[in-house]
This record gives sequence, structure tokens and C-alpha cells, in this order.
Amino acid sequence: EVHLVESGGGLAQPGRSLRLSCAASGFSFGDYAMHWVRQPPGKGLEWVSALSWNSGSMGYADSVRGRFTISRDNAKNSLYLQMNSLRPEDTAMYFCAKDTALRDIIDLSDIDFWGQGTPVTVSS
Amino acid sequence: DVVMTQSPLSLSVTLGQPASISCRSRHSLVHSSGNTYLNWFHQRPGQSPRRLIYKVSNRDSGVPDRFSGSGSGTDFTLKISGVEAEDVGVYYCMQGTHWPPTFGQGTKVEIK
Repeated sequence: EVHLVESGGGLAQPGRSLRLSCAASGFSFGDYAMHWVRQPPGKGLEWVSALSWNSGSMGYADSVRGRFTISRDNAKNSLYLQMNSLRPEDTAMYFCAKDTALRDIIDLSDIDFWGQGTPVTVSS
Repeated sequence: DVVMTQSPLSLSVTLGQPASISCRSRHSLVHSSGNTYLNWFHQRPGQSPRRLIYKVSNRDSGVPDRFSGSGSGTDFTLKISGVEAEDVGVYYCMQGTHWPPTFGQGTKVEIK
């Protein structure tokens, strides 16, 4: 059974940083592209970033490009999101999500499983 | 970005009655591979989304057969043949054909 467990969320002041982690189990992590998707309180889903199986290709939403960095460690079955220069509008639940393919080039996406999410609040 | 437009945004349904949610795109979602990457997700209150339907009409394992997806090109529909209490929550369509992936605004389903 696919299991994705996010951690690292919390309260951060504007301009500060947080690093999210996602621990994966129940599937061959290194064979799949992975995503981060966020959901502001009471609002809909917003895709944030994606990374190919071998970290060779990645993509970011315009709203986070240049501030957030996605990475993975296949040996540790883990996905990460380094979030710098945080803004109040980054406040959201952050979900780690699995793609259905490894995606040598990140130019399409097909998400199947989601983690439970980790909450991030950016406020002074 | 490809805008996905869902309607209605809210639906109040009597138990056992059918429900239908529309999802429209201004751009065709047919990929050069011939696949159409249009998925439907269900999010119950306080939970993460769960995929119900992938590539327009394929039901995920464990999803009741009262759920069905249809459509092509730019117009897609999720149907529930007879709503049950566990079906409450928000339904999202998501396209993955064009970069970046985008979601519809969500349709909130409640029991009347």
C-alpha cells in the first residue's frame, strides 16, 4: 500500500525558511516522479512543484519559482521542498503526491496518491 | 496556464439521487501520445484528496461503480448514479496534459 507522510510544516515569519519532507513507502520510490501540491485554508488545490525520478527534470509554479526548491533522495525514499523567502500567501496545507510514471522530462503529470499533508503558516 | 472550469460549484443532493459535475477546459486535453490526462479527485472534510477516475473514464481500484467519468477534448463529466452519505465533500478535476498541471475550483457536494 502506498504511504506518503509529510513533515516539517509549522509557523514561520515572512522572509524566513522552512524545509518540508515526505517519507514514502509501499512502492518503488525511485521509479516515479513526485509532486508538491498545496491548499490554502478553505480554498482549492494549487500545484506547486514536480521532480522526475532521477532529479534530472523539475518544474515550479510561477508563484514559487526562485523561492522554492524541490529535491529527492531515492536511497532514503524521501522528497523535500525547501521554501525560502516565505510570504503570507504561502500559508497552506502542503501535500506530497505521487505520479504514475518516472517522467524523464517533466512536461505532463498524472497524480494518483496523496499524503495527509503538513500545514504551513506564514505570519509575523 | 490551462484554466479548468467546474460547474456547479455547489450541489445539494438527496440520498439515492444522481449527481453530475462538469469540468471544462479552453484547450483540448488530448496529449500527443493520444492519452487524455483528466483525473477526478474527491476530498472529504479534513482529509487529503483521493483519486476516483483517471484518464477521463477509468475508475480507480476500490472506487464504487456508482462513480463514472466521461467526456473528450475539452468537456468532461463526473456522475454519481446514486449519492450516498460518504460521497459528501469536494470534487476536483485536474488536467495533466499541459504544463503546468491545473485543477478546477472544486465542487462541494452535500446531502439535502
